[in-house]
Amino acid sequence: ETGVTQSPTHLIKTRGQQVTLRCSSQSGHNTVSWYQQALGQGPQFIFQYYREEENGRGNFPPRFSGLQFPNYSSELNVNALELDDSALYLCASSLGGQGNSDTQYFGPGTRLTVL
Amino acid sequence: AQSVTQLDSHVSVSEGTPVLLRCNYSSSYSPSLFWYVQHPNKGLQLLLKYTSAATLVKGINGFEAEFKKSETSFHLTKPSAHMSDAAEYFCVVSVGGFKTIFGAGTRLFVKA
Repeated sequence: ETGVTQSPTHLIKTRGQQVTLRCSSQSGHNTVSWYQQALGQGPQFIFQYYREEENGRGNFPPRFSGLQFPNYSSELNVNALELDDSALYLCASSLGGQGNSDTQYFGPGTRLTVL
Repeated sequence: AQSVTQLDSHVSVSEGTPVLLRCNYSSSYSPSLFWYVQHPNKGLQLLLKYTSAATLVKGINGFEAEFKKSETSFHLTKPSAHMSDAAEYFCVVSVGGFKTIFGAGTRLFVKA
């Protein structure tokens, strides 16, 4: 167990709705990253937060947004859901400040289905 | 630009035989390289990582990988496969922390 938890485990939404996914990082980890893993593919980097500020973003539109809180929890918000947003969403926490050698610890993911 | 290519989408081995999962990378900078494993309905677990120290990296569960800069490869090996090794394996390149790129994955099947 990595100590990273995510909620909910599964979620079903309809096209156009908004969704909030939650993650609880390991205590002491200042960095959280979010990934989208479509079926049969590798995870795609969405964005990363370090000490409550976004410090990197992948090729995802602005309707994907996030928040990180001082208590090591974070959120991923997706507005105007599209069918292609159906995927497993993973969060990963890391200590931060170690550059590219930072080890990320992944949660079990939230399976989002958009109908 | 950074990229990572896992050369096999599926690998099938018999229990007790060696495992080789191939990964090539491209990076403009000195990258860190990782291998993660994903078992069904479980989170990604770190097997090992390379961070510019020893080129032969030993990980958990008997896995190891060798960083070969001249070949831009980071292949994962294990001398003897176990049934519990059956899973999806991802090669990952990271430059600057937030530029983390996963390969498409290699599904490992282990036959009894």
